[in-house]
Amino acid sequence: ELKVEQNPLFLSMQEGKNYTIYCNYSTTSDRLYWYRQDPGKSLESLFVLLSNGAVKQEGRLMASLDTKARLSTLHITAAVHDLSATYFCAVDGKGRNNDMRFGAGTRLTVKP
Amino acid sequence: DTGVSQNPRHKITKRGQNVTFRCDPISEHNRLYWYRQTLGQGPEFLTYFQNEAQLEKSRLLSDRFSAERPKGSFSTLEIQRTEQGDSAMYLCASSLSIAGGLPYNEQFFGPGTRLTVL
Repeated sequence: ELKVEQNPLFLSMQEGKNYTIYCNYSTTSDRLYWYRQDPGKSLESLFVLLSNGAVKQEGRLMASLDTKARLSTLHITAAVHDLSATYFCAVDGKGRNNDMRFGAGTRLTVKP
Repeated sequence: DTGVSQNPRHKITKRGQNVTFRCDPISEHNRLYWYRQTLGQGPEFLTYFQNEAQLEKSRLLSDRFSAERPKGSFSTLEIQRTEQGDSAMYLCASSLSIAGGLPYNEQFFGPGTRLTVL
């Protein structure tokens, strides 16, 4: 069974600092997604990573994928308060578009 | 707004009552998904449709739950004889899947329906 684990689950950062969120998954997959969720809101798609070594960047967020290690990272550079949210990674079971499994999420709080 | 919409946004009901939620996907999307999300957890897959066909159901979807997508557009999720354990956020998502198309399944989520069972 495909399992997705994120760590840390809670992260409190100072503005201007850097940090990395980790996403490990248990079975072979080459499609990984990162989503953001603000309190009381729905999930917003951030990144789609499709191959080993894929790296995508948007503003202060950069996501990467290592399919051999079954690991994705979401790196935050020079955090700002607006990045406070819960970040989820999700993985497609290989070959099965209907079997997306989500991690438990990382609740990020950026303090001034 | 052409995103995924869900109604109602909030529903409070008494245990044992039936509830029905509606999801309107992005109009050109042929796939529609239902998820359940409890506090502090990621969304858990419940079921999905490709057009009007329900192609997969999770083991989480007990026989009190039924979902339909009669014309391949909007979908409804009904919970019969609600229990307190059904209290959660119910999320709908949609995506576009075409033969020979994108090799991934980026799903777009609606705002969710928060169910509270008293």
